Amino acid sequence: NAGVTQTPKFQVLKTGQSMTLQCAQDMNHEYMSWYRQDPGMGLRLIHYSVGAGITDQGEVPNGYNVSRSTTEDFPLRLLSAAPSQTSVYFCASSSGQGRNQPQHFGDGTRLSIL
Amino acid sequence: DQQVKQNSPSLSVQEGRISILNCDYTNSMFDYFLWYKKYPAEGPTFLISISSIKDKNEDGRFTVFLNKSAKHLSLHIVPSQPGDSAVYFCAASEDGGFKTIFGAGTRLFVKA
Repeated sequence: NAGVTQTPKFQVLKTGQSMTLQCAQDMNHEYMSWYRQDPGMGLRLIHYSVGAGITDQGEVPNGYNVSRSTTEDFPLRLLSAAPSQTSVYFCASSSGQGRNQPQHFGDGTRLSIL
Repeated sequence: DQQVKQNSPSLSVQEGRISILNCDYTNSMFDYFLWYKKYPAEGPTFLISISSIKDKNEDGRFTVFLNKSAKHLSLHIVPSQPGDSAVYFCAASEDGGFKTIFGAGTRLFVKA
């Protein structure tokens, strides 16, 4: 039972490079989300999706794109990486479109932008 | 402007004693609250939740108290165990909302 799987676990990028952080869940959850965790700031919501084909912005969406073509996958794209995007990124999923439901988190991707 | 605030970055407690972690919120539309626990190099895991129609919810050693008039909630861990040492995040969402807002976290140290 994998739950929420994030790849890669670690990544170093140069400023201006692009990359995609992968997230997959095998629980048939409708709701998926991306957070970034920075020291002293907790987890901040980047983007979320309430089902395949539906995405919306969270608290800090600038610099990130998402898509949801299947229920299982919710990739996060950095089009032009900036040092301010150095962070630990967590993907999460929950049932019931995320309303009043606990989220299941992956183990994170630690991203460094040089 | 942080809507969910955990003002204590860290807390140290002796094994067997009570741990009390506090959380304040500013958005009066929040009506569902959760606590997550996070170990290093792992994702947060759900611990306990409470709806705004209740003022207390208990699950084993963990109890969450909600004071809506004060916009304050707390997590009590009794008795505390060394394995409880982790970062605890308070989180909140609005009725029917899709966004969950997290606090900055409190690092709990339980000393043996």
